[in-house]
Amino acid sequence: NAGVTQTPKFQVLKTGQSMTLQCAQDMNHEYMSWYRQDPGMGLRLIHYSVGAGITDQGEVPNGYNVSRSTTEDFPLRLLSAAPSQTSVYFCASREDRRYGYTFGSGTRLTVV
Amino acid sequence: GQQVMQIPQYQHVQEGEDFTTYCNSSTTLSNIQWYKQRPGGHPVFLIQLVKSGEVKKQKRLTFQFGEAKKNSSLHITATQTTDVGTYFCAGRTKTSYDKVIFGPGTSLSVIP
Repeated sequence: NAGVTQTPKFQVLKTGQSMTLQCAQDMNHEYMSWYRQDPGMGLRLIHYSVGAGITDQGEVPNGYNVSRSTTEDFPLRLLSAAPSQTSVYFCASREDRRYGYTFGSGTRLTVV
Repeated sequence: GQQVMQIPQYQHVQEGEDFTTYCNSSTTLSNIQWYKQRPGGHPVFLIQLVKSGEVKKQKRLTFQFGEAKKNSSLHITATQTTDVGTYFCAGRTKTSYDKVIFGPGTSLSVIP
């Protein structure tokens, strides 16, 4: 039981490049979310999903796309990377609203 | 939009002293969650409170949810060096399906 797996752990992108941050969970959780963490700002919600085929925007969705074609996977796509997207990205999942989120170990992204 | 605030931002205590962090929401919450993040780590779920006025204890940690369901607190009795980390509250309003918004966190340092 691996929990929530995020890849890659570290990534450096050039401004304007695109990439996908991968997130997979093996706990059959319906609810998944993406957060970004910047110093002094806590975790800000980017997008979330309450099941396969269902996604919605969080607090800071601009510049990011998501899709949820399976229960297990919830990839986050950066369309055209900008230095303001330099951050630590966390993926999290939970079975339903009765439970707390289980977080992955994060992806540290630097955009130069 | 929904905002979650926490005070203080930082707290330095001598080992053995008590510690309290306060969480306030701009809107009425359906529930409140608390997470702990160790330096360099990912957030770890501690507890969820659902009922108005609810109080829950986990060993030296006491969690409270306000009567109006707009504020919460975490109190640690007799801090230990293992309590070091950042404590986040996170809340969801009744109108959002699973939009869980985090506060900016309180960073706790414990001086041995």
